[in-house]
Amino acid sequence: GAGVSQSPSNKVTEKGKDVELRCDPISGHTALYWYRQRLGQGLEFLIYFQGNSAPDKSGLPSDRFSAERTGESVSTLTIQRTQQEDSAVYLCASSLRAGGRVNNSPLHFGNGTRLTVT
Amino acid sequence: GQQLNQSPQSMFIQEGEDVSMNCTSSSIFNTWLWYKQEPGEGPVLLIALYKAGELTSNGRLTAQFGITRKDSFLNISASIPSDVGIYFCAGPTPETSGSRLTFGEGTQLTVNP
Repeated sequence: GAGVSQSPSNKVTEKGKDVELRCDPISGHTALYWYRQRLGQGLEFLIYFQGNSAPDKSGLPSDRFSAERTGESVSTLTIQRTQQEDSAVYLCASSLRAGGRVNNSPLHFGNGTRLTVT
Repeated sequence: GQQLNQSPQSMFIQEGEDVSMNCTSSSIFNTWLWYKQEPGEGPVLLIALYKAGELTSNGRLTAQFGITRKDSFLNISASIPSDVGIYFCAGPTPETSGSRLTFGEGTQLTVNP
C-alpha cells in the first residue's frame, strides 16, 4: 500500500512479557518516528530515525524500550517486561526527511498498534 | 520540555454550527500545525502555519498563527458529522531543530446531526 503500515493493529499481553511492534514506512521516506498516545492524551515522542544517522532516543521512557530500523525501511519497537502503564496506542510516522517546512515533508502516520497489558 | 495547552478539551455541537478551538504555549513556536485524528487512525495534517499573524484556510477550516507566536486557533465553519474527531495542535520542538513534534492533548469534537 501507499501509506505507513503498522502491525499488529491490536496486541494484548500479560504483564512482564516482551512485545515487538512493527512499522513499514512509506517507500523513500528517510525519517521515521515512534510516538505513544495514552487514552485521552496527546502524542508523546519516543524515538526518531533519520537515514543512517544515530537515532534520537531522547523520548524513550525507560531502558525497557528500544527500537531498531533497518536502513530506510522497516522499524521495530520492542518493549521488554511490559507494565500496565505501557498500555497505549503506539503510532509510527514517516516523512521524506526530518526538519524543514512541514508542508514539504509532512509526517504520515500509520493507524497505530493498540497495546493492552493485563 | 515544551507544552502545548489546548482548549476546550471537548465540544458537543449541532451540525451547521461553527467551532473554534485554540492552543497556547509558554514558549515561542516558529511553526504551528493542526492535525485531525479519527477513531482507529493516525493523525492527518490539516493546516500548517509558518509566520506570526498568518491566517490560512483549507476548505471550511481556518487557522491563525498568533502574533506572540505563543498561540494559534482553529475554526471550523458550518460543521458536518464527518468533522467528528480529535483535533491536535503541534509544533516542531525548538531544541531539536524541528526534527520532532510536540503535540497538545487534543480537542475532542462531537457533531450531532
